[in-house]
Amino acid sequence: AQTVTQSQPEMSVQEAETVTLSCTYDTSESDYYLFWYKQPPSRQMILVIRQEAYKQQNATENRFSVNFQKAAKSFSLKISDSQLGDAAMYFCAYIRESYQKVTFGIGTKLQVIP
Amino acid sequence: DTEVTQTPKHLVMGMTNKKSLKCEQHMGHRAMYWYKQKAKKPPELMFVYSYEKLSINESVPSRFSPECPNSSLLNLHLHALQPEDSALYLCASSRPTGGSSGANVLTFGAGSRLTVL
Repeated sequence: AQTVTQSQPEMSVQEAETVTLSCTYDTSESDYYLFWYKQPPSRQMILVIRQEAYKQQNATENRFSVNFQKAAKSFSLKISDSQLGDAAMYFCAYIRESYQKVTFGIGTKLQVIP
Repeated sequence: DTEVTQTPKHLVMGMTNKKSLKCEQHMGHRAMYWYKQKAKKPPELMFVYSYEKLSINESVPSRFSPECPNSSLLNLHLHALQPEDSALYLCASSRPTGGSSGANVLTFGAGSRLTVL
């Protein structure tokens, strides 16, 4: 069974600084996708970034980037120039190709300090 | 239109009531999902509809009854719920799987906060 582990229940970062959220996963599949979703206190889950396992290049979306280490089964999220609006719960997620069930990690609560 | 709309935002019901949660999307997505989320926990999958057919039921109690009337609508009918069913219910949709750009990406609604008294 696939598992997703987020070992940091809470993190904090100063505004304008950089923070990295950790995620590891376990799978025997070779084709899969990894995601970071953000859930602010307003509660709507929003996709932050997506990574296809077959792509070696790390995905980036503006201030958000990932460090995808397939062999190590690691998928960390780096947030640069942190903003107050980045404060949220961040969930790492995994889904295998042609499958419909997403496996979520338990989440990391990010606090941004002004 | 890139939204998933859920109604109502808040619902309070007694254990003998019958109510429904509604979800709508107009992105042409052919997979729709119901998730249950307790406070400070990740979402838990309840049901998946693919091309309007129920494809996954995660052993959810029969007091929850999903319905997919068409490709844009998803309902969750609630009957004889228990207080432990109080939670945030999230609807999501996605494109079909299989390599297309954006496949497997879930677009979530804002959720319906359910309280069972």
